Amino acid sequence: KNEVEQSPQNLTAQEGEFITINCSYSVGISALHWLQQHPGGGIVSLFMLSSGKKKHGRLIATINIQEKHSSLHITASHPRDSAVYICAVNLFPPGSQGNLIFGKGTKLSVKP
Amino acid sequence: EAQVTQNPRYLITVTGKKLTVTCSQNMNHEYMSWYRQDPGLGLRQIYYSMNVEVTDKGDVPEGYKVSRKEKRNFPLILESPSPNQTSLYFCASSPSFRASGRWEQYFGPGTRLTVT
Repeated sequence: KNEVEQSPQNLTAQEGEFITINCSYSVGISALHWLQQHPGGGIVSLFMLSSGKKKHGRLIATINIQEKHSSLHITASHPRDSAVYICAVNLFPPGSQGNLIFGKGTKLSVKP
Repeated sequence: EAQVTQNPRYLITVTGKKLTVTCSQNMNHEYMSWYRQDPGLGLRQIYYSMNVEVTDKGDVPEGYKVSRKEKRNFPLILESPSPNQTSLYFCASSPSFRASGRWEQYFGPGTRLTVT
């Protein structure tokens, strides 16, 4: 289906660099999520967005509904940010938590 | 401690032998869901439940069953497992977005299933 596309697939950065991971989707959505999967396999939710921008520490997530695009930014990257970052979207209707479609993830490696 | 637990964490079984993977959450969440993760395919949703006795299919429900008889539990049942169900399985829960405005998903630690 490829309804959710992430880029890049793999990303290697030096400690301290500013990082951007992109997510594009082709369907109408009610919300978009960013998840982080640690090297050990555990998954945590980072953000849920339906519009605008959210910030948590060094992480910033933005969404442009008209362009069907979201970005996850990491400022002052650190080796502990090394993980797989996954974008997921909720399909319509608004407020529905039901069906989630995932991107294939972006594997980030931050070198000291 | 708020958590989602899954059991077993690792399972090797043979084709056709019925199995159940349990999922339990202690946060009184309405929403629960099962996902499988495969190399190159990423996470895919199997089934989800909006509340007790309310379940619905995700993208890859074939070969799986679920039930939601209690709010805290959401077991995943493989009636006749096949090798193509070898995967890493995650359970997750979340409060009701409609009720709380929050949609943070809490994931279990994963169950690695091998079907030979």
